[in-house]
Amino acid sequence: ILNVEQSPQSLHVQEGDSTNFTCSFPSSNFYALHWYRWETAKSPEALFVMTLNGDEKKKGRISATLNTKEGYSYLYIKGSQPEDSATYLCAFNAGNNRKLIWGLGTSLAVNP
Amino acid sequence: GAGVSQSPRYKVAKRGQDVALRCDPISGHVSLFWYQQALGQGPEFLTYFQNEAQLDKSGLPSDRFFAERPEGSVSTLKIQRTQQEDSAVYLCASSISGTGNQPQHFGDGTRLSIL
Repeated sequence: ILNVEQSPQSLHVQEGDSTNFTCSFPSSNFYALHWYRWETAKSPEALFVMTLNGDEKKKGRISATLNTKEGYSYLYIKGSQPEDSATYLCAFNAGNNRKLIWGLGTSLAVNP
Repeated sequence: GAGVSQSPRYKVAKRGQDVALRCDPISGHVSLFWYQQALGQGPEFLTYFQNEAQLDKSGLPSDRFFAERPEGSVSTLKIQRTQQEDSAVYLCASSISGTGNQPQHFGDGTRLSIL
C-alpha cells in the first residue's frame, strides 16, 4: 500500500518566521514528487514537481528539497507572510502510473 | 480564462438523482484527472484520461460513477442514483503531457451535496 505522510498536520507561525514541513513517501519505484499550495475557496496551485534525488527547487521565498533514497521532501518558507496561509499538499507518483497519491497536507497559518 | 473550468460550482441533489459534473481543461492539455475530496481529507484519485482514452478508472468507488472525454477535451463525470456518501468536492485537473512529471492544473471544483 502506497502511503504519503505529511507533518506537522498544522502549524501556526508569526509573520517573518521561517518554517518548514515534511512529506514522507515510499522510497521504492519513485517517479515524481509534487508540491501544491491550496488556499481556502481556491483551486490547488502547483508549486514544484521534483524528479531527481538531491534536487532543490525555489520559487520566491519557497523552496523544496528531495531525497528519494530515504523517501522524504522538505518544503521551506522563508520569512512567512500572512498571504502564505494555506494548506500545503504533497503528492507522490510511482513508476509510470499517472495516479498521484496525496498526503493530507500541512495547514499553515501565519499571524500578522 | 485560460485555466481549468468546472461547472457547476455547487450542486445540491436529492438522494437517488443522477448528476453530471463538467470539466473544461486547459486547451491542448493531454491528460485529465478527476479527484474526490471529502471534508478534512486530501484529494482521492478517481480516474485519468489521456486524450479521449480512459487509461485508469481504478479510483471510481462504484459502478454508479462514470466518466467520459469523448473528443479528448471536455470531460463529464456522471454519478447515477446518488447516495449521501457521494457528498464531496469533485476536482478536475489537466496536465500538458502524458507523463507524470508535469504539474497538474486544477479547477475550482464542484461541491456536491446529496440530501
